Formats: sequence, structure tokens, C-alpha cells
Amino acid sequence: GQNIDQPTEMTATEGAIVQINCTYQTSGFNGLFWYQQHAGEAPTFLSYNVLDGLEEKGRFSSFLSRSKGYSYLLLKELQMKDSASYLCAVLSNDYKLSFGAGTTVTVRA
Amino acid sequence: NAGVTQTPKFRILKIGQSMTLQCAQDMNHNYMYWYRQDPGMGLKLIYYSVGAGITDKGEVPNGYNVSRSTTEDFPLRLELAAPSQTSVYFCASSYEVQETQYFGPGTRLLVL
Repeated sequence: GQNIDQPTEMTATEGAIVQINCTYQTSGFNGLFWYQQHAGEAPTFLSYNVLDGLEEKGRFSSFLSRSKGYSYLLLKELQMKDSASYLCAVLSNDYKLSFGAGTTVTVRA
Repeated sequence: NAGVTQTPKFRILKIGQSMTLQCAQDMNHNYMYWYRQDPGMGLKLIYYSVGAGITDKGEVPNGYNVSRSTTEDFPLRLELAAPSQTSVYFCASSYEVQETQYFGPGTRLLVL
């Protein structure tokens, strides 16, 4: 089975930087996804890491260390619209996607 | 493209009733998935399909059935609704298994 841990909640100020950590234990690894989910809406894709290192995409970056079973999502220059839940999801050897419970980020003015 | 569509958006069922949640995608994706999301919990995979005519169980399949007669459609069937099936149901699709999954808007189901 899969065990994926991420913090429940984080709060930050507009314009600041927030780092959301995700640790995982899986039976095999075929990639890690980050999704954003606004309240009452569907998840939308943010990033995908399959190799170690940092992937940068505008204000959002995602990092992966496979040996440590660790990833983080970095949100820079926070905006009010970034208030949402951020879901870490791991693709295992049987190609099924397992999700963490999500981290609710609240951006304050 | 409409992407992934789901109907209905919201439904109230009585215990023991049955219903079908509809899901369709117009992106010619091979893979389709059904998840449920409970408050404070991650999405749990119910069933998935790797192509027309092929389906398999996910993490929480009990109480549900699926079929995939066409590439576009992947309905989820609840035969005997139970309060434990109160949840938000998301359908998703992807072209390949290691590619991004695109989610539908969800169906909110309340079983009383």
C-alpha cells in the first residue's frame, strides 16, 4: 500500500513564499504529481516529477528526492487566488495514483 | 473540447436505492478513473479502465460497479446505496498512465 503524508494546513501572507512538504512510502515509484484544488472544484494539474531535482514552472516549483521519499511544492509571490488545497499524489508500480489528504493553504492580505 | 463531463452535479438518494453516475470525455483518452473524496481525506480510487472493455478495481471498489463499452464513457453504478457512500465523486481521464489526469467537475452524493 501507499503512505503519503503532508501537513493539514498552512497560512502565509500575500507576496510571501510557502513550501508544502510531502513524504511517501510506496511499493514502487513511477512519478509524483501535485494538484491544486479550490474549494468545491475539481483538482487541476500543477506539476509532475519522475527524476530527482527541481522543476520550475512560473511561480510554482516542485522538488523530488526519490532516495528520501520526499517532495515539496514551492509557491512564490503568493496571491489571494492561491488559497486552495494542494494534493500530493504518487504513481506506484501498478500505475495507480494514490493521493495524500491535501494541504489547505490560506493566503492572508 | 468539453474535457471531462459528469452528471448529475448533485443527488440525494435514500438507503437501498440505486443510481448511475455518468462520466464522459472527448479527448480520446485511453485511461479513465473514478475517485471518491471525503472531507479531510485524499481521493480514493474506486475503479479504473485502461481502454474500452477493460476495467479493474481500485482501492475502495465495494458497493460499486463500472463498465466501459466505449472510449468516451465510463459510468459508475451504485446498486444499493448506503450512508457510507455519501461523498463527492470525481471522474478523471488521461491519455497514458504516466500523464496528467484531467478531472471532471464532480458529483455530490448524499445518501439518507
